[in-house]
Amino acid sequence: QQQVKQSPQSLIVQKGGISIINCAYENTAFDYFPWYQQFPGKGPALLIAIRPDVSEKKEGRFTISFNKSAKQFSLHIMDSQPGDSATYFCAASGENAGGTSYGKLTFGQGTILTVHP
Amino acid sequence: NAGVTQTPKFQVLKTGQSMTLQCAQDMNHEYMSWYRQDPGMGLRLIHYSVGAGITDQGEVPNGYNVSRSTTEDFPLRLLSAAPSQTSVYFCASSYSPWGAINEKLFFGSGTQLSVL
Repeated sequence: QQQVKQSPQSLIVQKGGISIINCAYENTAFDYFPWYQQFPGKGPALLIAIRPDVSEKKEGRFTISFNKSAKQFSLHIMDSQPGDSATYFCAASGENAGGTSYGKLTFGQGTILTVHP
Repeated sequence: NAGVTQTPKFQVLKTGQSMTLQCAQDMNHEYMSWYRQDPGMGLRLIHYSVGAGITDQGEVPNGYNVSRSTTEDFPLRLLSAAPSQTSVYFCASSYSPWGAINEKLFFGSGTQLSVL
């Protein structure tokens, strides 16, 4: 049972373009939505996160947009750079999400982003 | 401060063999967990621990055992390796024992395991 669905599986963007990765979740008890970035040979690292009390969160070139009614959230990377080439994972958790805690993240399938120079 | 350290980085096993993947953190984190990463599947939680002596199952626990005798170490044991356990394994930790909101997970660099 995949509770967090992520698309696309892969994405190719030109330098300076906008990269958009989408995620949809099923469990309405989720209330914490982080994005992790993973470079080849490394473990994932937290990039940015949002709670559903806001519809958007921006940190530098990275923005999360959140639509609670649609149960969807997305990552936008503005002015994409070759150094942004990595695998991106959305995730979700919630204190009361089926007995889980915030640390028990449910991850999406991942998106391999390639930014061409 | 090394963060989360995993050993070995690579391992090849034959079906039926057992082994232990090591994970250690030096950040005094209460919460530790193991994930496996498979293409098209994202990361899936295997086992987790909220403190020394306390462990629980995640989404895909079958075929794996864990124990937490110290705050620093959280080894993952494969009892009888199967080809379906070929994967990349990540250990992660965070300060809060319950993984409090906004508490980020620190991941190790992974162990790539192949079971023939």
